[in-house]
Amino acid sequence: GAVVSQHPSWVICKSGTSVKIECRSLDFQATTMFWYRQFPKQSLMLMATSNEGSKATYEQGVEKDKFLINHASLTLSTLTVTSAHPEDSSFYICSASSTSGSSNTQYFGPGTRLTVL
Amino acid sequence: AQSVTQPDIHITVSEGASLELRCNYSYGATPYLFWYVQSPGQGLQLLLKYFSGDTLVQGIKGFEAEFKRSQSSFNLRKPSVHWSDAAEYFCAVGSFGNDMRFGAGTRLTVKP
Repeated sequence: GAVVSQHPSWVICKSGTSVKIECRSLDFQATTMFWYRQFPKQSLMLMATSNEGSKATYEQGVEKDKFLINHASLTLSTLTVTSAHPEDSSFYICSASSTSGSSNTQYFGPGTRLTVL
Repeated sequence: AQSVTQPDIHITVSEGASLELRCNYSYGATPYLFWYVQSPGQGLQLLLKYFSGDTLVQGIKGFEAEFKRSQSSFNLRKPSVHWSDAAEYFCAVGSFGNDMRFGAGTRLTVKP
């Protein structure tokens, strides 16, 4: 089946620093990737939709200058949390959309836990 | 706008008992419906999905779900729960090529 990886799986950083999270589709090409964040014991909230070669579309309330998304290839999207603060601590999950055949399914990465001190 | 409601925040069942997790959706067109499972600290694993056709969908790990358009529901069922099924379950609705909206999740506890 389709596999999506994320790196790193866990990151701790100091307040004010930037953190980059990678999302890769390992065995399929993903024209669209999605970034979600999940607070403890809560559901996933969509942050942005990323299409290869174009600017990401951000959900209302998500600061595009703080959460930089780059989707440079069909297998890689990156999320950079700039000037991270403790309130940015969360579980970040990406997904990649496979549009092969007649079906459309999002495959999720294992997530990246960000802790900002 | 599309939305998903999972009425039960937490459900506890005994091992070997049957399980039904509820999911109701709101969507303007024919929805694509999904059930995912998440273990603590892990990503999401797709259990099953419905796009069209047979309204009873079989998934992995012995799960099934039934799409009922008249009730706007897509409930997840399993005839006999195993201790390893304890996890958080998310129902989601989406459309082709677009993002998904997730329900709040239902936490399943399995009693020995």
